[in-house]
Amino acid sequence: QVQLQESGPGLVKPSETLSLTCTVSGGSINNFYWSWIRQPPGKGLEWIGYIYSSGSTTYNPSLKSRVTMSVDMSNNQFSLKLTSVTAADTAVYFCSRRGGSSSPEVTWGQGTLVTVSS
Amino acid sequence: EIVLTQSPGTLSLSPGERATLSCRASQSVSSNNLAWYHHKRGQAPRLLIYAASIRATDIPDRFSGSGSGTDFTLTISRLEPEDFAVYYCQQYGSSPRTFGQGTKLEIK
Repeated sequence: QVQLQESGPGLVKPSETLSLTCTVSGGSINNFYWSWIRQPPGKGLEWIGYIYSSGSTTYNPSLKSRVTMSVDMSNNQFSLKLTSVTAADTAVYFCSRRGGSSSPEVTWGQGTLVTVSS
Repeated sequence: EIVLTQSPGTLSLSPGERATLSCRASQSVSSNNLAWYHHKRGQAPRLLIYAASIRATDIPDRFSGSGSGTDFTLTISRLEPEDFAVYYCQQYGSSPRTFGQGTKLEIK
């Protein structure tokens, strides 16, 4: 059974870059779609975007100018970078796996809280 | 983008009762690609329903989904203690994918 685990700094300074990694265990990263979703404190879920194992990406237009996703096949990981962060980027960040190209997010990590503060 | 509006915001019920949660879309959801998730704080969200009415793997049959176009419903026939959580709908038929704001199901 595939499991996902987010990791990265819990505190990032304003204007800096948020970097998170999702480690996939119990299955291969190959031939799947991998997503990032976030949840600001007290608010709902926001879809950030996804990356296919080949490296092709689709981002939410609201974040597109600041987001980069990548895949590391050798370590069975994928990553998120969000530049020029502000307090509005404070959120629990989740990684997830889709079931296919036209599929919802089937398997999720538990999430990691990232706080943007000086 | 498609805006999803969930109602009610909070639903107070007792174990054994029936819960009905609503999700309304600002425009028609392509191919009825609408999912429902169960989420407890500190845990991974869990997929319950996809394609509006298909239960995900290992989801008990007390959960059912219905609807099409712009109006969708999640029904929990007999509430168990573990069902009290926040429920989100998501449309994945159009990009960007969007979520509703959530319905909190709490114990009365």
